[in-house]
Amino acid sequence: NAGVTQTPKFQVLKTGQSMTLQCAQDMNHEYMSWYRQDPGMGLRLIHYSVGAGITDQGEVPNGYNVSRSTTEDFPLRLLSAAPSQTSVYFCASSYGQGRGGYTFGSGTRLTVV
Amino acid sequence: QQQVKQSPQSLIVQKGGISIINCAYENTAFDYFPWYQQFPGKGPALLIAIRPDVSEKKEGRFTISFNKSAKQFSLHIMDSQPGDSATYFCAASMMKTSYDKVIFGPGTSLSVIP
Repeated sequence: NAGVTQTPKFQVLKTGQSMTLQCAQDMNHEYMSWYRQDPGMGLRLIHYSVGAGITDQGEVPNGYNVSRSTTEDFPLRLLSAAPSQTSVYFCASSYGQGRGGYTFGSGTRLTVV
Repeated sequence: QQQVKQSPQSLIVQKGGISIINCAYENTAFDYFPWYQQFPGKGPALLIAIRPDVSEKKEGRFTISFNKSAKQFSLHIMDSQPGDSATYFCAASMMKTSYDKVIFGPGTSLSVIP
């Protein structure tokens, strides 16, 4: 049981490049989400999904796209990377609507130069 | 209204001492208050949680105290150990139509020194 797996662990992008951060969970969780973590700002929700085919925006969605074609996978796409997107990104999943707590991946550290 | 304030930003405690982290919220619609623990290079992990109808919850050395009227809650770590050194996030959540909206505090970096 791997839990929530994120790849890559580290990434350096040039401004304007695009990339996809991968997230997969093997717990059959309905709810999945993406957070970014910045010093002094805690975790901020980017996008979330309550099931396959259903996604919605969180509090900081600009510059990011998501899709959810399967229960297991929830990739995050950066359309045109900007230095302001330098951050640590966490994928999380939970059973049902999250009241029981989230299971987080180990994160992707992204630097945009 | 949606913010969760957390203090202190960093904390140094001697082994065996008590670590105390405080949080405050404004929106009375929040009805679930989890704490997450994060070790370097890892994702946050749920530590303990409380609902506002309870004033205190204890799990081992970890205790949440909740003051509903003051809209404040705190985490106490008794007999702090070097292995407790981590970043701690408080959070507040409310049920929306299809998901649990969670707002995280900015985090407290705890160092327990021998």
